[in-house]
Amino acid sequence: GAGVSQSPRYKVAKRGQDVALRCDPISGHVSLFWYQQALGQGPEFLTYFQNEAQLDKSGLPSDRFFAERPEGSVSTLKIQRTQQEDSAVYLCASSSFGTVYEQYFGPGTRLTVT
Amino acid sequence: AQSVTQLGSHVSVSEGALVLLRCNYSSSVPPYLFWYVQYPNQGLQLLLKYTTGATLVKGINGFEAEFKKSETSFHLTKPSAHMSDAAEYFCAVSDLYKLVFGAGTILRVKS
Repeated sequence: GAGVSQSPRYKVAKRGQDVALRCDPISGHVSLFWYQQALGQGPEFLTYFQNEAQLDKSGLPSDRFFAERPEGSVSTLKIQRTQQEDSAVYLCASSSFGTVYEQYFGPGTRLTVT
Repeated sequence: AQSVTQLGSHVSVSEGALVLLRCNYSSSVPPYLFWYVQYPNQGLQLLLKYTTGATLVKGINGFEAEFKKSETSFHLTKPSAHMSDAAEYFCAVSDLYKLVFGAGTILRVKS
């Protein structure tokens, strides 16, 4: 079946622009995660949804970052007033109920802020 | 808090040689441990996982890892490297529902 998909795959934004990154999880997966992967580093947790509820947003680096999953399926990560330090790959992952730790990752969106 | 240390940011082996990628973890509770592989411009693919039970776990593509509680280690091995194994490998530990990743090890396979 289809895996996790993300769009766009690449995004170039000028400093100060707003961006929106989309994640389509595996159908039926209850849990959805966003991670940020800076160049040369491992992914770092940003936020976690169970269905439409955002249960943990402790990893969001600033109040410029906002995530939503209004219908419990597709999720959007929005970054307002982008800064150069926001340049990274943003990975989305999903998992099924009962095996929340077995996460399946999408290909990521590479954001470059110029 | 849970953490992962991967020893060696780059590892180079010859084709056909043993692959050994090292991972040590810190966890305040019995851990769930994972190895993921990332090919260029792709997402993370789960290689194998340890949750409970047998400490030697086998994964895809001939990889395996052994959970050693006394050493807080979860090293990844493969008896014979193939050119297609060249990629970046991440060890991760569960922290409730989220994963905490190491910094990654880039594996280079020489012909």
